[in-house]
Amino acid sequence: DGGITQSPKYLFRKEGQNVTLSCEQNLNHDAMYWYRQDPGQGLRLIYYSQIVNDFQKGDIAEGYSVSREKKESFPLTVTSAQKNPTAFYLCASWKDRAYGYTFGSGTRLTVV
Amino acid sequence: EDQVTQSPEALRLQEGESSSLNCSYTVSGLRGLFWYRQDPGKGPEFLFTLYSAGEEKEKERLKATLTKKESFLHITAPKPEDSATYLCAEGPHAGNNRKLIWGLGTSLAVNP
Repeated sequence: DGGITQSPKYLFRKEGQNVTLSCEQNLNHDAMYWYRQDPGQGLRLIYYSQIVNDFQKGDIAEGYSVSREKKESFPLTVTSAQKNPTAFYLCASWKDRAYGYTFGSGTRLTVV
Repeated sequence: EDQVTQSPEALRLQEGESSSLNCSYTVSGLRGLFWYRQDPGKGPEFLFTLYSAGEEKEKERLKATLTKKESFLHITAPKPEDSATYLCAEGPHAGNNRKLIWGLGTSLAVNP
C-alpha cells in the first residue's frame, strides 16, 4: 500500500545541534508539507513543496530548512536557530481536493 | 481573520451513548470542510470532506453534516475504538499551497 514514511519515530536533540527528520512517500503526489503540532495549538505549516527543486516557507519557517531533490523525499532539518523545537512533526502530501492531505505517522522531537 | 473553532475540547461518553462534535468556521467563502481522526502518537487520518451547506456523509458510526456556519460530526452508538482526537479543517486556501486552517480538535474518550 502507498503511504508516507517518517523516521525516526522519536528523536532527541541536544541544544545547539541540527537534526534532520526524514519523510518519504510512494503515492506519486507532487505536493508535500511539513506541519508542527503542539498541545493546545492547531497544526502549523512549516514548509511546503509543490514540485521537485522548489519549496516555500509556511507560517513558522524560522529555524527550519528543507530540500526537495526527489519527488519521493522531503526532509526537514531543525537547526539550532529554532528556539523551541520540542514538538510533534508531521509530514503530509496533498492528494486532491476530495481527500485533502495524507499524513505520515509523525516524529516526536525532544530537546534534552 | 479566517478561523476554525471546535467544541467541546474534550468529551467523555459511555459506550452506546450518541453525541455530536461541533466545528464552526468564519471564512470568506467556504472551500471545503475536512474531518480527520488522530490517534495518540500518530498522524491524522482522513474521514470526510464537505463542500456545501446541506451536504452529509457517513462512514460506519460517523456522520458529518455541514451548514453555512458550522459542521457537526455525529457519532452514533460509539464504541471504545472510536476514542481519538477529531480534527476539522477548512480550505484549501489561496494560491497553490493548498493550506488548510485547522481547529484544535476534540478529544473523545468512549468508556466500555
